[in-house]
Amino acid sequence: EVQLVESGGGLLQPGGSLRLSCAASGFTFDNYAMNWVRQAPGKGLEWVSAISATGRSIYYADSVKGRFTISRDNSKNILYLQMNSLRAEDTAVYYCAKDQFGFGEFGLDYWGQGTLVTVSS
Amino acid sequence: DIQMTQSPSSLSASVGDRVTITCRASQSIASYLNWYQQKPGKAPKLLIYSASSLQSGVPSRFSGSGSGTDFTLTINSLQPEDFATYYCQQSSSTPPYSFGQGTKLEIK
Repeated sequence: EVQLVESGGGLLQPGGSLRLSCAASGFTFDNYAMNWVRQAPGKGLEWVSAISATGRSIYYADSVKGRFTISRDNSKNILYLQMNSLRAEDTAVYYCAKDQFGFGEFGLDYWGQGTLVTVSS
Repeated sequence: DIQMTQSPSSLSASVGDRVTITCRASQSIASYLNWYQQKPGKAPKLLIYSASSLQSGVPSRFSGSGSGTDFTLTINSLQPEDFATYYCQQSSSTPPYSFGQGTKLEIK
């Protein structure tokens, strides 16, 4: 059974940093691209970042470019999102999601339960 | 970047109805369009990928169509468990893979 379990969320002040983790199991992690998608309270889904299976290709939404860094440890089956210079508008539930196959073309077929990040003074 | 616009933003329907949700891309995305269902407090669920391919395990009352810039999600014979929010997502070329703003389907 595929499982994605996010952790690392919390409450922090503007300008702070946080690292989210997503522990994957039930599939061959290093065969699949992975993504982070967020959802602000009461709002829609926003794609944040993607990383290829090998980690060589990485993409970001303009809203987080230069502040967030996606990475993966294929030896530990963990996806990361390092979040720096956090702003109030980064407040959201952050989901990790697995590519069905390829690199995004065929949708995100498994999602974690999400972890809440709240940025507030 | 490609912008995705869904309509309507909200929709009221009854059990047994047929409903259609539309998604329009700001430029051609061929058939690189996915549909998700999200229920309150839950993660999204992939329903349709590549515009018209039904994801494994998804009931056949869900269908998708379209190509280029205009796409539709159709739900035949609405069931109580179908009342949720639906999102389209484009996955053309390289990221960002933007989502539509969502369509909330409510019980009439």
